[in-house]
Formats: sequence, C-alpha cells, structure tokens
Amino acid sequence: KQEVTQIPAALSVPEGENLVLNCSFTDSAIYNLQWFRQDPGKGLTSLLLIQSSQREQTSGRLNASLDKSSGRSTLYIAASQPGDSATYLCAPDNYGQNFVFGPGTRLSVLP
Amino acid sequence: GAVVSQHPSRVICKSGTSVKIECRSLDFQATTMFWYRQFPKQSLMLMATSNEGSKATYEQGVEKDKFLINHASLTLSTLTVTSAHPEDSSFYICSARPGTSGGAGEQYFGPGTRLTVT
Repeated sequence: KQEVTQIPAALSVPEGENLVLNCSFTDSAIYNLQWFRQDPGKGLTSLLLIQSSQREQTSGRLNASLDKSSGRSTLYIAASQPGDSATYLCAPDNYGQNFVFGPGTRLSVLP
Repeated sequence: GAVVSQHPSRVICKSGTSVKIECRSLDFQATTMFWYRQFPKQSLMLMATSNEGSKATYEQGVEKDKFLINHASLTLSTLTVTSAHPEDSSFYICSARPGTSGGAGEQYFGPGTRLTVT
C-alpha cells in the first residue's frame, strides 16, 4: 500500500526566500505525481504534474523534480511571496487508479 | 483549463437526514471520478472511485450503504450521505480524470462541499 510523507510539516519564512518542500513515497510503481496547493477551507489547485518518465516540470517560480526509483519528489519555490502561503500536497498516482495524498506542508510566507 | 464544479458548496443538515452532493465536469467527459473526504487539519482521504455506468469502488472502511455514489453520465457523479450524523461532518471533494477510457492522467478537483450535521 502506498504511503506518502512530506517534510517539513510546517514552514514559516520571510518573503523572498527560496524554498524546498519534500515528498517521499514507498511504492515507486507510479504513473505520475502531482503537486497541489490548498488554501484554508478551499479545494485543491493543481500546480504541476510530472509523468513517471520525466525528471522535472517547471511553471513560473515553481519547479518540481521526480526521482521515481528512490521514491522522492521535491517542489522548489523561488522568491517566495505572501500569496504563496497555503498547504502544499503531493500525490503520487498509484497504478493509474487513484491518488494517495501526503499529509501536506503548511507554508507561511511573512511580508 | 478543465473545470470541475460541486454543488452545494456548503450544507447544514439535521442528524438523520440525507444529503446529496453533485460533482460535474463542465468542459470534458470523465469515465472516472473520485470522492475524497478531508477532516480538519488532515489530508484528503479517498472514499471511493466512481465509474460511469457501473458500481463505485469503495475504499476499505467506507460504508457503501451510507455513502451512495451514482455516476449517471460522463459529466456527473453524485454522493449521497444517508442518515447523516455529526461525525459525517467534513469537507467532501470530488475530482475527475478526463477521458473515456480510464487509465492514468491528471485529475481536476472540485472546490469542495462543507457538510455540517447538527
């Protein structure tokens, strides 16, 4: 059964810092991995999707990498802004059937 | 981009009543939709996979007679919480995977429905 962990659980940084959020998963037989953000009381916003054959994806200030063999993915946020404050979730897509979500990293970017 | 809607966004009901939540894919068809539940300060937990034209597949520990799922068309899935109790109060989120042949691919999430049972 797929298990997902995310480190750190919470992070508070001043504006402008570059950040690294980590995601680990136990079953490397995945089709893809997706990163989401969730604002308090809201649904999910998809940030990046990495196919299992890819090593990384970039969108604006966000860059996600995937090392499937070691069961790790990293989300890099450059030049963080207060608007980036949210909970970030990673979700490996297990056998193309469903996602297993990590517990999330709660990010707070201080102005 | 692909859009998924949910209705209602918030609902308050009395204990013992039933509540229906709708999930619609607005600009794409989806053979497969998913229902998740999220308790406060916890991550999303998959409840069931909704398959158009067939029975839903429920995760272990989820009561299929309590959480009725109907995937009536390629753009609509409904979740009915029957005989709701306060412990069913939660944030329910659906997602849809574009395509009519199943398989892997990006999921698009609805905005969620907050259910409060008094």
